[in-house]
Amino acid sequence: DAKTTQPTSMDCAEGRAANLPCNHSTISGNEYVYWYRQIHSQGPQYIIHGLKNNETNEMASLIITEDRKSSTLILPHATLRDTAVYYCIALNTGGFKTIFGAGTRLFVKA
Amino acid sequence: GAVVSQHPSWVICKSGTSVKIECRSLDFQATTMFWYRQFPKQSLMLMATSNEGSKATYEQGVEKDKFLINHASLTLSTLTVTSAHPEDSSFYICSARDDGRSEHVDTQYFGPGTRLTVL
Repeated sequence: DAKTTQPTSMDCAEGRAANLPCNHSTISGNEYVYWYRQIHSQGPQYIIHGLKNNETNEMASLIITEDRKSSTLILPHATLRDTAVYYCIALNTGGFKTIFGAGTRLFVKA
Repeated sequence: GAVVSQHPSWVICKSGTSVKIECRSLDFQATTMFWYRQFPKQSLMLMATSNEGSKATYEQGVEKDKFLINHASLTLSTLTVTSAHPEDSSFYICSARDDGRSEHVDTQYFGPGTRLTVL
């Protein structure tokens, strides 16, 4: 599975959009981009995933560049409860184990 | 949907005893489940991959005789920490990979975690 690179931490004002970048320049054609988040002392929560097209669900939007070398997770209206560590993972379907990097620690401030 | 439960949520035990942690997928079937360990302020570290009806595959450096994994059904995997010692104290998290729902097939869903403290 391709390695991903994320900023260590980010701040966001409550009510504003949080844009979390992820670089996955070595991603292969059959690898999906998955996003999870982990709120303190809880298990990771699935947010969204995509292959080529942009995706949106009730939690977030995922924007994947045309060359698929990077993506951005967008939380449209961040709340204090969105403070968490966000993990971007490139994963082969049928595949396999999900290896977590360090993720991005998002602080949403009032 | 896509709920994974773990039991217990926390456990305290004496050094030398064994502790069993259960992981259940409540509304989907999971041929494959995963066990992770997380130390404070660190990321999740994969310990092993559990496949229903077959032996688990352990990551390098994880002792298979110490961390016994059983995946007896499509909805249940167990992790037993044998002869636990204080250095085994950690947050243990399982995940289950969805076998069936079309748009989410292969997506992993995580349990809430089990905090183990060995005295």
